[in-house]
Amino acid sequence: QQQVKQSPQSLIVQKGGISIINCAYENTAFDYFPWYQQFPGKGPALLIAIRPDVSEKKEGRFTISFNKSAKQFSLHIMDSQPGDSATYFCAAYQEGGKLIFGQGTTLQVKP
Amino acid sequence: DAGVTQSPTHLIKTRGQQVTLRCSPKSGHDTVSWYQQALGQGPQFIFQYYEEEERQRGNFPDRFSGHQFPNYSSELNVNALLLGDSALYLCASSQNRVQPQHFGDGTRLSIL
Repeated sequence: QQQVKQSPQSLIVQKGGISIINCAYENTAFDYFPWYQQFPGKGPALLIAIRPDVSEKKEGRFTISFNKSAKQFSLHIMDSQPGDSATYFCAAYQEGGKLIFGQGTTLQVKP
Repeated sequence: DAGVTQSPTHLIKTRGQQVTLRCSPKSGHDTVSWYQQALGQGPQFIFQYYEEEERQRGNFPDRFSGHQFPNYSSELNVNALLLGDSALYLCASSQNRVQPQHFGDGTRLSIL
């Protein structure tokens, strides 16, 4: 019940294309859903986050879509750039609990 | 504005030894959480410190222990090291145990 399942494991997108990463969860008590971006040799950096009272949040080229009834959320990267090539992690958090991470998606954006 | 800083960046130990990793939280943050990230995996929560006490703990054995100091910095101690303890150890800080958490670049621990 504490798991967060992330897919796909890896993704290759052409420059200018849309990258889509999906996550699913079981615990309906989760109330905060962040996405982290991690480059090799670096720690995860917070990219964007959403709470379950909204269905979509957009920051620049990054959008989170949230489907509370399906217990799924996704990250969309518009106009993907080679500099976006990194590993992306979704996560879920319950107040008073711990941050649970997905398994990660390695994104490669080809020029 | 300094972010989360961790030391050392790399460490090599042998089985059975003990290790101490250090973390200074982002300025203004008072909560420190530690994570273990195995190669190719997502970070796994070890424990969280707030007001110098362990507040939450993940599924890690007692060989993993920690401490938080009055200046909010923290240490992670691992005793009786096993080969499986080889990983990137990440520290994250936040304010009043509230999200979001900000991560440091981690300590890469290798066990020989």
